[in-house]
Amino acid sequence: AQSVSQHNHHVILSEAASLELGCNYSYGGTVNLFWYVQYPGQHLQLLLKYFSGDPLVKGIKGFEAEFIKSKFSFNLRKPSVQWSDTAEYFCAVNPHGTYKYIFGTGTRLKVLA
Amino acid sequence: DVKVTQSSRYLVKRTGEKVFLECVQDMDHENMFWYRQDPGLGLRLIYFSYDVKMKEKGDIPEGYSVSREKKERFSLILESASTNQTSMYLCASWTPELGELFFGEGSRLTVL
Repeated sequence: AQSVSQHNHHVILSEAASLELGCNYSYGGTVNLFWYVQYPGQHLQLLLKYFSGDPLVKGIKGFEAEFIKSKFSFNLRKPSVQWSDTAEYFCAVNPHGTYKYIFGTGTRLKVLA
Repeated sequence: DVKVTQSSRYLVKRTGEKVFLECVQDMDHENMFWYRQDPGLGLRLIYFSYDVKMKEKGDIPEGYSVSREKKERFSLILESASTNQTSMYLCASWTPELGELFFGEGSRLTVL
């Protein structure tokens, strides 16, 4: 079955620390990849997406993610987190040609000021 | 900007009540979704609609039905609410051209 794994369920960092959230998926075909963020009390919004081309994609608020096809991974990174990055982060995979989105279980990030 | 509006942010209902959750999008997207979000489980698809009056079951459709009478509006119906349907419900719209889901703010339902 298709699945998306986010290995870190809860992450606590101090401001200015570097962030890397893991995301691995199981699907053999071509996929679109996404990271969504949900700030406290707000709706889910897109951080970044990968469809094709350069496997290193940049998103909003200084986030970036790298698609490594051989590892079926799409890890999210930020060199220096801020208190305002406290949120829940979801990785999602959309197999090409389908409407299906498979979401990971989310990672709750807390950044300490 | 795409706007997806869910009419109720918070609802409290009793077991056995009929519940309607409404969602409206303003971008003329053909595709709309209802997801359920639970801690530790991520988002799970309840129903998908790809056109007016057209729907497909998602991964967890049991206990739910949907209605899409107009392109902009997609309703989720709980015919007889149960306590295990206490959850956050998210509506989303989608167009393949953009490829991303646009979410509403969510409706947090508590069934007592």
